[in-house]
Amino acid sequence: AQSVTQPDIHITVSEGASLELRCNYSYGATPYLFWYVQSPGQGLQLLLKYFSGDTLVQGIKGFEAEFKRSQSSFNLRKPSVHWSDAAEYFCAPPRGGSQGNLIFGKGTKLSVKP
Amino acid sequence: DTGVSQDPRHKITKRGQNVTFRCDPISEHNRLYWYRQTLGQGPEFLTYFQNEAQLEKSRLLSDRFSAERPKGSFSTLEIQRTEQGDSAMYLCASSFSEDQPQHFGDGTRLSIL
Repeated sequence: AQSVTQPDIHITVSEGASLELRCNYSYGATPYLFWYVQSPGQGLQLLLKYFSGDTLVQGIKGFEAEFKRSQSSFNLRKPSVHWSDAAEYFCAPPRGGSQGNLIFGKGTKLSVKP
Repeated sequence: DTGVSQDPRHKITKRGQNVTFRCDPISEHNRLYWYRQTLGQGPEFLTYFQNEAQLEKSRLLSDRFSAERPKGSFSTLEIQRTEQGDSAMYLCASSFSEDQPQHFGDGTRLSIL
C-alpha cells in the first residue's frame, strides 16, 4: 500500500536559520507530489508541486523541494525562516489506485524562535 | 478565483443528532473531495466526486455518512446519529483534474457534546 512518512513531528528553528522538512513516500510509479501548509484552524494551502522534469521545484513564500527518486524522498527546504512560517506542513503523494486522491503524512509542526 | 468555501465553520451538536455540511468548490473544478482531520493527524480521505458522480468512498465513511453533489457544483456531507468519534475537522477540496493540485477550504470543525 502507498504510504508517506514525515519523520519529524515537531521542529523548532530560529528566525533566519535554514530549514529542511523530510518526507519519504512509498509509491510504485513516478509520483506527483505536493507540499501543503496549514495554519491553526485553517485549511491547507498549496506550497509547491512536483509532476515531472526538473527535480528541484520552487514554491511560494521562498520554499523549494527536491525530488530524489533513489531515496523516495521529497524534502522541503527554505534558506531563511521567517516567524510567519510557523505552521504545520504536510507532504502528500497520490494514494495509488485512487484517481487523484492524496495520502497525507502526519505532518511536521514548525515553531520559530525569535 | 473565490476559493473553496465551506459552511458552517463550526458546528456544535449533541450526540445522536444529524448534521449537514456544505462545500462550494472553485467554479471550474470538476473534482470535489472530502477529508477528515483529527487533532495531530493529517487529513484522511473520505470520498470524492467527478462532476455529480461519487466515484470512491473510503472505509472511514460508515453508513451514517452520506455525501452528495447533485448538480456537479456544491456538495453536502451529512452525518446521521452523530457519535463522539465524529468530532473532527471536515475539509473539502476541489481540483480541475486528477493530477492537478487540490485547493482546500477552511474546513468545518464539528464538536460532539
